[in-house]
Amino acid sequence: KQEVTQIPAALSVPEGENLVLNCSFTDSAIYNLQWFRQDPGKGLTSLLLIQSSQREQTSGRLNASLDKSSGRSTLYIAASQPGDSATYLCAVKKNSNYQLIWGAGTKLIIKP
Amino acid sequence: NAGVTQTPKFRILKIGQSMTLQCTQDMNHNYMYWYRQDPGMGLKLIYYSVGAGITDKGEVPNGYNVSRSTTEDFPLRLELAAPSQTSVYFCASSYSIDLLSTDTQYFGPGTRLTVL
Repeated sequence: KQEVTQIPAALSVPEGENLVLNCSFTDSAIYNLQWFRQDPGKGLTSLLLIQSSQREQTSGRLNASLDKSSGRSTLYIAASQPGDSATYLCAVKKNSNYQLIWGAGTKLIIKP
Repeated sequence: NAGVTQTPKFRILKIGQSMTLQCTQDMNHNYMYWYRQDPGMGLKLIYYSVGAGITDKGEVPNGYNVSRSTTEDFPLRLELAAPSQTSVYFCASSYSIDLLSTDTQYFGPGTRLTVL
């Protein structure tokens, strides 16, 4: 059974720092992995999607990497800003069907 | 486009009461989903639909029902509310769930439900 884990559950860093959020999964047979952002009182917004054949994806200050063999993905945020404060969730898509399997998220606080 | 809208935003129910959570999308997406998110946990899929008239169970369907009479609407029904159904409910939609598609899911703002 696929399980997705995100550590740490919460992270607080000063503004301007570069940081890395981690996501691990137990079954390497995934089709893709996505990173989402969740703001309080709002829905989730997709940030980056990495296909299983890809190693990384970049969007602005965000870079997501994928290592299927080790069951790990990282989300790198460069030059963090207070507006980056949110909960970040990763989700993997199984090969066999539609389901996204979700991690519990990392709550990120960027201190001005 | 409004995207995915959900009503109500908040609701408190008594045990045994019933209610319907509404979800509408205006992106002409074929696929729609209902998730629940418990505190400190990842999202769990309740039901999904691949088009009008077609629905199927997800990971945690017990205690819920759905219908899909139109492309736009996908209501979630709780028949006999229980404290275990206290959660935040998210509706989402996507153009395709095809394994070759890179299309992602678009989420509504959520409904926070408390059952007392």
